[in-house]
Amino acid sequence: DTGVSQDPRHKITKRGQNVTFRCDPISEHNRLYWYRQTLGQGPEFLTYFQNEAQLEKSRLLSDRFSAERPKGSFSTLEIQRTEQGDSAMYLCASSLGTGATNEKLFFGSGTQLSVL
Amino acid sequence: GNSVTQMEGPVTLSEEAFLTINCTYTATGYPSLFWYVQYPGEGLQLLLKATKADDKGSNKGFEATYRKETTSFHLEKGSVQVSDSAVYFCALLGYTGFQKLVFGTGTRLLVSP
Repeated sequence: DTGVSQDPRHKITKRGQNVTFRCDPISEHNRLYWYRQTLGQGPEFLTYFQNEAQLEKSRLLSDRFSAERPKGSFSTLEIQRTEQGDSAMYLCASSLGTGATNEKLFFGSGTQLSVL
Repeated sequence: GNSVTQMEGPVTLSEEAFLTINCTYTATGYPSLFWYVQYPGEGLQLLLKATKADDKGSNKGFEATYRKETTSFHLEKGSVQVSDSAVYFCALLGYTGFQKLVFGTGTRLLVSP
């Protein structure tokens, strides 16, 4: 069990550029989540995949955001035309989804995005 | 909608002191309640949880009791260590069938020797 991996750890970009983050979940986990954490706040739910299907998207996820999970393995989160308000820590988490209250989330260390 | 309110930090304690971090929630129905911990440079980790009223979650000397009457889930530890220095997040999970957690803003704990 190597844990949830996220790449890159840090990303600095200029306003208007596109960025893409990658998340590699724990290998047998069928569920994958993206959360966003801004400075001084707790994480906020963005989206959720069950295998390759994106089943829930938060209203926080504007049209500039797109997430994919091809083949139900790794996931990418792309932000187009970045804005300064997109600066945040983007957290990925995975779980062996059972739908029960004892489902346990495992978080990655996050990708810190800074938009200049 | 669902929400979580935690006491602001930082909380600064000496080693072996008693810790309380307050957490209250607003939710429809009876959510599950969690405490997550984030050590410097690491990802969030589940510390403990409780799924119904009067349940007590415990782990690593930390405890929290699900109090429906006061809508609270306060985190306590009888004797903190320097290694407990971290950010602690209270969170709730409503009836979604998946882990759509609602987090509080986090409380930073600093323990000095």
